Amino acid sequence: AQKVTQAQTEISVVEKEDVTLDCVYETRDTTYYLFWYKQPPSGELVFLIRRNSFDEQNEISGRYSWNFQKSTSSFNFTITASQVVDSAVYFCALREVAQKLVFGQGTRLTINP
Amino acid sequence: GAVVSQHPSRVICKSGTSVKIECRSLDFQATTMFWYRQFPKQSLMLMATSNEGSKATYEQGVEKDKFLINHASLTLSTLTVTSAHPEDSSFYICSASAGSQETQYFGPGTRLLVL
Repeated sequence: AQKVTQAQTEISVVEKEDVTLDCVYETRDTTYYLFWYKQPPSGELVFLIRRNSFDEQNEISGRYSWNFQKSTSSFNFTITASQVVDSAVYFCALREVAQKLVFGQGTRLTINP
Repeated sequence: GAVVSQHPSRVICKSGTSVKIECRSLDFQATTMFWYRQFPKQSLMLMATSNEGSKATYEQGVEKDKFLINHASLTLSTLTVTSAHPEDSSFYICSASAGSQETQYFGPGTRLLVL
């Protein structure tokens, strides 16, 4: 069975600080996909990244970076030099092949000016 | 690219009435659409999966007669909440993908309040 754990329920930092959101997953499959979505106060889920299980390369996109480590079943997300607009709920999600998308409980990130 | 719209964004209705929510993929053909429900400060709960031209597959515990889903075209899926009750009040979000194994792109959601 697939499962995603986001242990950090809420994080609050001051603007310009770096912040890392943790995501740990469980799966028995060798092929699977990992995702991060952002949900701002407006409610819409914004797709941030998709990573398949065969690609362990870390990725950087502007101030965002992702660290995928199969050895620890983690797919952590770091925001560098955080900004107030980064305030949102962030969801990590996992999908095994031919299975539904399973979300973690989300981490509410607040960036204070 | 990958824009999904939802209409209405907010609806208030009386108990016993039916409410239809539309989900559209604006710039791609969505062979598969998903309907989720989200309670305040909680994660998303999948209600059903629909493939264009087929009957929707409902998750365990979701009443198919209460939540009618139609996916008549590659760009439109509708969710109808029939005989709505106050406990149906929630945030409903749809997502669309070019295939069941492809990335899901989400709509902006619909806040339903049943009085």
